[in-house]
This record gives sequence, structure tokens and C-alpha cells, in this order.
Amino acid sequence: GEDVEQSLFLSVREGDSSVINCTYTDSSSTYLYWYKQEPGAGLQLLTYIFSNMDMKQDQRLTVLLNKKDKHLSLRIADTQTGDSAIYFCAGVYNFNKFYFGSGTKLNVKP
Amino acid sequence: GAVVSQHPSRVICKSGTSVKIECRSLDFQATTMFWYRQFPKQSLMLMATSNEGSKATYEQGVEKDKFLINHASLTLSTLTVTSAHPEDSSFYICSASKGTGGRSPLHFGNGTRLTVT
Repeated sequence: GEDVEQSLFLSVREGDSSVINCTYTDSSSTYLYWYKQEPGAGLQLLTYIFSNMDMKQDQRLTVLLNKKDKHLSLRIADTQTGDSAIYFCAGVYNFNKFYFGSGTKLNVKP
Repeated sequence: GAVVSQHPSRVICKSGTSVKIECRSLDFQATTMFWYRQFPKQSLMLMATSNEGSKATYEQGVEKDKFLINHASLTLSTLTVTSAHPEDSSFYICSASKGTGGRSPLHFGNGTRLTVT
């Protein structure tokens, strides 16, 4: 199957910026997605980027895509304690199957 | 919006019994729904693709006779865990998309925590 890798943990202080990184092997995905999962809940769509874009900004969120290196990142500006969660990047293969990274647990310290 | 409702959120059952989990798309029609399983501190494992009006497509290693999927309408898919055993205890999440081809994001239910005693 497709391989998506993420670092498992990230710890930042409140007010700092967080950068969550993702690398993937399949470059055919038309869109790449970021999801957030809070404890005991499903996944919430945060943002996504079309594969022919390099960057997308959505309020505090900035997505950067480097297709050459197959690298995707999510930057959260002014990180708040409510941003503490697990973040998953995801792509699509076989037309409609989503594949997810292992998730990065973000811990925001007050 | 695109809201997916999953019920129940938690269920505890005895070993050998069956449990049904419902997944509904509340404000859109979903030709295809997806069922995932999530182990503690791990990513999501796609179990099967549920197609309205036809048989589900199961991923390799997933027992179709154990995890029965029925997609009765464009807004409802159910997953039945038959003859549940403690190793089936897990977090099950359904999802649906408004479109196909990855151009529409997946929208997820809030998951069902299944505990088999």
C-alpha cells in the first residue's frame, strides 16, 4: 500500500508556532489532507491542498507542499492549548481510498 | 456542511454476541462509505468500502463474515461485528464522501468504542 510517514510527537509552548511534517510515497494523489483527532472522537477535516499548489493559508493554518521531495507540512500559528490533539495527513489512492499517516500527537504546554 | 453521525458512541458486549454500529450521512447522500478501525496510539486501518446497493469491498485480512456491512440507503451504512471476541475490542470509525476520486474530503463520524468482555 501507500506509505505516509509522520513524526509521532511534537511539544510546543502556547503562543509558539507548530510545524507538523509528513512525507509520502505516492505522488498521484490529487489532493492532500490534514485531519485533527481529539481524544475519543472521530477525525475532523482541517484543511487540504490541491496537488498543483505549493502553499495554502487558512487563518492560523498554513499548508506547504513540496512535490519534488514528496513532503507536506502543516503550520499552526499562535498555537493554543485547544490545538492539542493528534494530526493526520492523508492522500488518496486507487481513485477513492484514503491512506493516512501514523498521526502526530501535538502537546501544547501553557 | 457535511455531517456524519455514528451510533452508538460506546458499547460493551459479552464475548460471543453481535454488535451493530450505524453510520448516517445527515445532510448529504453518500454512495460510498468507509469503515476504519483504530488501535490505541495507531493510525486508521481501512476495513472495507461500503457501496450502496451492492456488496462491500473488504481489505485484505479483514474477515467479511465477521464484519458484516450493509449499505441500505444513500445515507445509512451499518457494520455488524458478529460473534465478538475480546480481540475485536477497538475504536471503529465510519466516514463518507460527497464525491469520488479524492476530490472530496472524507467526513468522519465520532467513532464507536467497542469493548468485548
